[in-house]
Amino acid sequence: GAVVSQHPSRVICKSGTSVKIECRSLDFQATTMFWYRQFPKQSLMLMATSNEGSKATYEQGVEKDKFLINHASLTLSTLTVTSAHPEDSSFYICSAYTGDYGYTFGSGTRLTVV
Amino acid sequence: AQSVTQLDSHVSVSEGTPVLLRCNYSSSYSPSLFWYVQHPNKGLQLLLKYTSAATLVKGINGFEAEFKKSETSFHLTKPSAHMSDAAEYFCVVYTGRRALTFGSGTRLQVQP
Repeated sequence: GAVVSQHPSRVICKSGTSVKIECRSLDFQATTMFWYRQFPKQSLMLMATSNEGSKATYEQGVEKDKFLINHASLTLSTLTVTSAHPEDSSFYICSAYTGDYGYTFGSGTRLTVV
Repeated sequence: AQSVTQLDSHVSVSEGTPVLLRCNYSSSYSPSLFWYVQHPNKGLQLLLKYTSAATLVKGINGFEAEFKKSETSFHLTKPSAHMSDAAEYFCVVYTGRRALTFGSGTRLQVQP
Protein backbone atom coordinates (compact mmCIF):
# COMPACT_ATOMS: atom_id res chain seq x y z
CA GLY A 1 0.00 0.00 0.00
CA ALA A 2 0.89 3.66 -0.18
CA VAL A 3 3.48 4.70 2.36
CA VAL A 4 4.48 8.14 3.57
CA SER A 5 7.82 8.41 5.31
CA GLN A 6 8.11 11.28 7.78
CA HIS A 7 11.39 12.47 9.29
CA PRO A 8 12.60 13.16 11.83
CA SER A 9 10.44 11.29 14.32
CA ARG A 10 11.69 13.46 17.17
CA VAL A 11 13.55 16.74 17.24
CA ILE A 12 14.64 19.07 19.99
CA CYS A 13 15.67 22.56 19.05
CA LYS A 14 16.55 25.78 20.77
CA SER A 15 14.14 28.67 20.88
CA GLY A 16 14.64 30.98 17.90
CA THR A 17 15.97 28.36 15.53
CA SER A 18 14.20 26.76 12.56
CA VAL A 19 13.29 23.13 12.09
CA LYS A 20 12.44 21.29 8.88
CA ILE A 21 10.19 18.22 8.76
CA GLU A 22 10.08 16.09 5.64
CA CYS A 23 7.41 13.82 4.26
CA ARG A 24 8.10 11.59 1.31
CA SER A 25 5.67 9.41 -0.57
CA LEU A 26 7.63 6.23 -1.20
CA ASP A 27 5.71 4.39 -3.88
CA PHE A 28 3.23 6.84 -5.31
CA GLN A 29 2.93 10.43 -6.41
CA ALA A 30 1.22 12.69 -3.90
CA THR A 31 -0.38 15.62 -5.64
CA THR A 32 -2.03 16.78 -2.44
CA MET A 33 -0.53 16.64 1.03
CA PHE A 34 -1.80 17.87 4.36
CA TRP A 35 -0.09 18.98 7.54
CA TYR A 36 -1.70 18.51 10.93
CA ARG A 37 -0.78 19.49 14.45
CA GLN A 38 -1.74 17.44 17.49
CA PHE A 39 -1.40 18.64 21.06
CA PRO A 40 -1.14 16.05 23.86
CA LYS A 41 -4.36 14.12 24.33
CA GLN A 42 -6.10 16.23 21.71
CA SER A 43 -7.30 15.76 18.16
CA LEU A 44 -5.53 16.51 14.91
CA MET A 45 -5.95 20.05 13.67
CA LEU A 46 -5.42 20.71 9.98
CA MET A 47 -2.79 23.38 9.48
CA ALA A 48 -2.51 23.55 5.72
CA THR A 49 -3.10 21.82 2.42
CA SER A 50 -0.40 21.76 -0.21
CA ASN A 51 -0.70 20.89 -3.87
CA GLU A 52 2.41 20.10 -5.84
CA GLY A 53 3.73 23.18 -7.57
CA SER A 54 1.30 25.55 -5.88
CA LYS A 55 1.31 27.69 -2.78
CA ALA A 56 -0.07 26.01 0.30
CA THR A 57 -3.53 26.88 1.58
CA TYR A 58 -3.44 27.62 5.30
CA GLU A 59 -6.29 27.16 7.75
CA GLN A 60 -7.56 30.16 9.64
CA GLY A 61 -5.29 31.10 12.50
CA VAL A 62 -2.20 29.37 11.14
CA GLU A 63 0.70 31.75 10.52
CA LYS A 64 1.96 31.07 7.02
CA ASP A 65 5.20 32.95 7.65
CA LYS A 66 5.94 30.80 10.65
CA PHE A 67 4.98 27.45 9.20
CA LEU A 68 6.52 27.33 5.74
CA ILE A 69 5.28 24.53 3.53
CA ASN A 70 6.99 23.50 0.32
CA HIS A 71 5.64 20.87 -2.06
CA ALA A 72 8.05 21.21 -4.93
CA SER A 73 7.81 17.63 -6.15
CA LEU A 74 5.22 14.88 -6.31
CA THR A 75 7.07 12.85 -3.70
CA LEU A 76 8.25 15.42 -1.18
CA SER A 77 6.57 17.98 1.05
CA THR A 78 8.32 19.86 3.81
CA LEU A 79 7.17 21.88 6.80
CA THR A 80 9.61 24.38 8.25
CA VAL A 81 8.88 25.85 11.64
CA THR A 82 10.70 29.17 11.63
CA SER A 83 11.93 30.96 14.74
CA ALA A 84 10.51 28.22 16.90
CA HIS A 85 9.25 28.97 20.39
CA PRO A 86 8.23 26.64 23.21
CA GLU A 87 4.55 27.07 22.31
CA ASP A 88 5.32 25.48 18.93
CA SER A 89 6.18 22.25 20.71
CA SER A 90 3.72 19.69 19.41
CA PHE A 91 3.24 16.55 17.36
CA TYR A 92 3.18 17.27 13.63
CA ILE A 93 1.69 14.77 11.17
CA CYS A 94 1.64 14.80 7.40
CA SER A 95 -0.85 13.03 5.19
CA ALA A 96 -1.11 12.36 1.49
CA TYR A 97 -4.24 11.96 -0.57
CA THR A 98 -4.10 8.69 -2.50
CA GLY A 99 -7.37 9.00 -4.39
CA ASP A 100 -10.92 7.66 -3.94
CA TYR A 101 -11.21 9.14 -0.42
CA GLY A 102 -7.95 7.44 0.50
CA TYR A 103 -5.32 8.99 2.76
CA THR A 104 -2.06 7.75 4.16
CA PHE A 105 -0.41 9.32 7.17
CA GLY A 106 3.16 9.78 8.23
CA SER A 107 4.22 8.48 11.62
CA GLY A 108 4.56 12.00 12.99
CA THR A 109 7.27 14.27 14.33
CA ARG A 110 7.45 15.26 17.95
CA LEU A 111 8.94 18.73 18.17
CA THR A 112 10.23 20.05 21.45
CA VAL A 113 11.47 23.64 21.61
CA VAL A 114 13.62 24.46 24.62
CA ALA B 1 -20.10 22.88 7.13
CA GLN B 2 -19.33 19.29 7.96
CA SER B 3 -18.35 18.27 11.48
CA VAL B 4 -18.27 15.26 13.76
CA THR B 5 -18.78 14.95 17.49
CA GLN B 6 -17.41 12.04 19.44
CA LEU B 7 -19.65 11.62 22.42
CA ASP B 8 -17.18 9.93 24.75
CA SER B 9 -13.63 11.04 25.44
CA HIS B 10 -12.85 7.80 27.22
CA VAL B 11 -14.35 4.31 27.08
CA SER B 12 -13.27 1.39 29.21
CA VAL B 13 -14.31 -2.20 28.50
CA SER B 14 -13.26 -5.63 29.65
CA GLU B 15 -11.47 -7.94 27.26
CA GLY B 16 -13.98 -10.08 25.37
CA THR B 17 -16.89 -7.65 25.80
CA PRO B 18 -18.42 -5.50 23.06
CA VAL B 19 -17.04 -2.12 22.09
CA LEU B 20 -19.18 0.88 21.18
CA LEU B 21 -17.58 4.20 20.25
CA ARG B 22 -20.11 6.88 19.42
CA CYS B 23 -19.93 9.51 16.72
CA ASN B 24 -22.54 11.96 15.48
CA TYR B 25 -22.11 14.00 12.35
CA SER B 26 -23.41 17.27 11.04
CA SER B 27 -23.60 17.80 7.31
CA SER B 28 -25.77 19.58 4.81
CA TYR B 29 -25.45 16.66 2.41
CA SER B 30 -24.61 12.97 2.57
CA PRO B 31 -21.18 12.88 4.14
CA SER B 32 -18.19 10.64 3.67
CA LEU B 33 -17.13 9.35 7.07
CA PHE B 34 -14.15 7.46 8.41
CA TRP B 35 -12.84 5.87 11.55
CA TYR B 36 -9.12 5.98 12.20
CA VAL B 37 -7.12 4.45 15.03
CA GLN B 38 -3.93 5.84 16.53
CA HIS B 39 -1.74 3.60 18.62
CA PRO B 40 0.95 5.21 20.78
CA ASN B 41 4.00 6.18 18.77
CA LYS B 42 2.43 4.88 15.57
CA GLY B 43 0.80 6.49 12.57
CA LEU B 44 -2.90 6.73 11.98
CA GLN B 45 -4.51 3.66 10.50
CA LEU B 46 -7.79 3.55 8.62
CA LEU B 47 -10.33 1.19 10.16
CA LEU B 48 -13.16 1.79 7.72
CA LYS B 49 -14.85 4.38 5.55
CA TYR B 50 -18.37 5.18 4.38
CA THR B 51 -18.83 6.88 1.02
CA SER B 52 -22.54 6.59 0.25
CA ALA B 53 -22.55 2.89 -0.50
CA ALA B 54 -23.76 0.23 1.95
CA THR B 55 -24.78 1.75 5.28
CA LEU B 56 -23.15 -1.07 7.26
CA VAL B 57 -19.44 -0.83 6.73
CA LYS B 58 -17.07 -3.57 7.73
CA GLY B 59 -13.51 -2.67 8.52
CA ILE B 60 -10.30 -4.26 9.65
CA ASN B 61 -9.73 -6.17 12.89
CA GLY B 62 -13.42 -7.00 13.34
CA PHE B 63 -14.65 -3.41 13.55
CA GLU B 64 -17.75 -2.19 11.79
CA ALA B 65 -19.84 0.97 11.70
CA GLU B 66 -23.37 1.75 10.63
CA PHE B 67 -24.35 4.97 8.93
CA LYS B 68 -27.75 6.06 10.26
CA LYS B 69 -29.07 9.11 8.51
CA SER B 70 -32.14 9.40 10.73
CA GLU B 71 -29.91 9.61 13.80
CA THR B 72 -26.98 11.40 12.11
CA SER B 73 -24.73 8.79 13.66
CA PHE B 74 -21.79 6.64 12.61
CA HIS B 75 -20.98 4.56 15.68
CA LEU B 76 -18.06 2.14 15.69
CA THR B 77 -18.59 -1.33 17.13
CA LYS B 78 -16.73 -4.56 17.71
CA PRO B 79 -18.29 -7.70 19.18
CA SER B 80 -15.38 -8.66 21.37
CA ALA B 81 -12.58 -6.37 22.57
CA HIS B 82 -8.98 -7.46 22.51
CA MET B 83 -6.16 -6.02 24.55
CA SER B 84 -4.51 -4.83 21.34
CA ASP B 85 -7.55 -2.63 20.62
CA ALA B 86 -6.49 -0.17 23.33
CA ALA B 87 -5.76 3.05 21.45
CA GLU B 88 -7.15 6.44 20.46
CA TYR B 89 -9.98 6.35 17.92
CA PHE B 90 -10.99 9.24 15.70
CA CYS B 91 -14.23 9.75 13.80
CA VAL B 92 -13.47 11.81 10.70
CA VAL B 93 -15.53 13.57 8.06
CA TYR B 94 -14.58 14.59 4.54
CA THR B 95 -14.99 18.35 4.28
CA GLY B 96 -14.31 18.91 0.58
CA ARG B 97 -11.19 19.88 -1.40
CA ARG B 98 -9.78 16.51 -0.33
CA ALA B 99 -9.59 17.70 3.30
CA LEU B 100 -10.63 15.87 6.47
CA THR B 101 -11.87 17.12 9.83
CA PHE B 102 -11.16 14.98 12.86
CA GLY B 103 -13.35 14.49 15.89
CA SER B 104 -11.95 15.04 19.35
CA GLY B 105 -11.05 11.39 19.79
CA THR B 106 -12.06 8.56 22.12
CA ARG B 107 -9.49 6.74 24.17
CA LEU B 108 -10.37 3.06 24.43
CA GLN B 109 -9.06 1.22 27.43
CA VAL B 110 -9.33 -2.58 27.55
CA GLN B 111 -9.16 -4.20 30.96
CA PRO B 112 -7.90 -7.77 31.30
